Amino acid sequence: NAGVTQTPKFRVLKTGQSMTLLCAQDMNHEYMYWYRQDPGMGLRLIHYSVGEGTTAKGEVPDGYNVSRLKKQNFLLGLESAAPSQTSVYFCASREDRVTGELFFGEGSRLTVL
Amino acid sequence: GQNIDQPTEMTATEGAIVQINCTYQTSGFNGLFWYQQHAGEAPTFLSYNVLDGLEEKGRFSSFLSRSKGYSYLLLKELQMKDSASYLCAVKDSNYQLIWGAGTKLIIKP
Repeated sequence: NAGVTQTPKFRVLKTGQSMTLLCAQDMNHEYMYWYRQDPGMGLRLIHYSVGEGTTAKGEVPDGYNVSRLKKQNFLLGLESAAPSQTSVYFCASREDRVTGELFFGEGSRLTVL
Repeated sequence: GQNIDQPTEMTATEGAIVQINCTYQTSGFNGLFWYQQHAGEAPTFLSYNVLDGLEEKGRFSSFLSRSKGYSYLLLKELQMKDSASYLCAVKDSNYQLIWGAGTKLIIKP
């Protein structure tokens, strides 16, 4: 029972490089989320999806793009990485928005030099 | 604006009891979550409160007062493995989660 899986777990980028984080869930959840976690701050929502083919902006969407072509996958892209995007990124999913708890992936630690 | 307040850090002794408080001001309320996060790991679900009162689950209990915008997580019979950050999150009127910065709990022998 894999749950929510994120790849890669660690990545170092140079400013201006691009990359994609992949999130996969095997629980058939409709709702998927990308958060970033920085020291001294709560989890901040970057983008989310309420179903296959849908995406929406969260609290801090600038500099990121997402896609949800398949229900089980939610991709987070950085087109031109900046040092301010150095963070730990968590993907999460839940069954429904009313009662469901969030299930988190293990996190992806990204450093932008 | 929306705001969740928790103490930054707390210290307690193994075997003792600790209470972690969370106060919130949000646009609407549709439930409050507590998550545990060990260093370098993902948050894991502990409890969910949507009605006023106390929810007990083993050594952990969570309390909610909607009129006061207040919740606490009570941990009994503390063990070294309880050293972690505890995150409070409120579901607002749009069913989005607003997260506190977390409380780092340090357990001493």
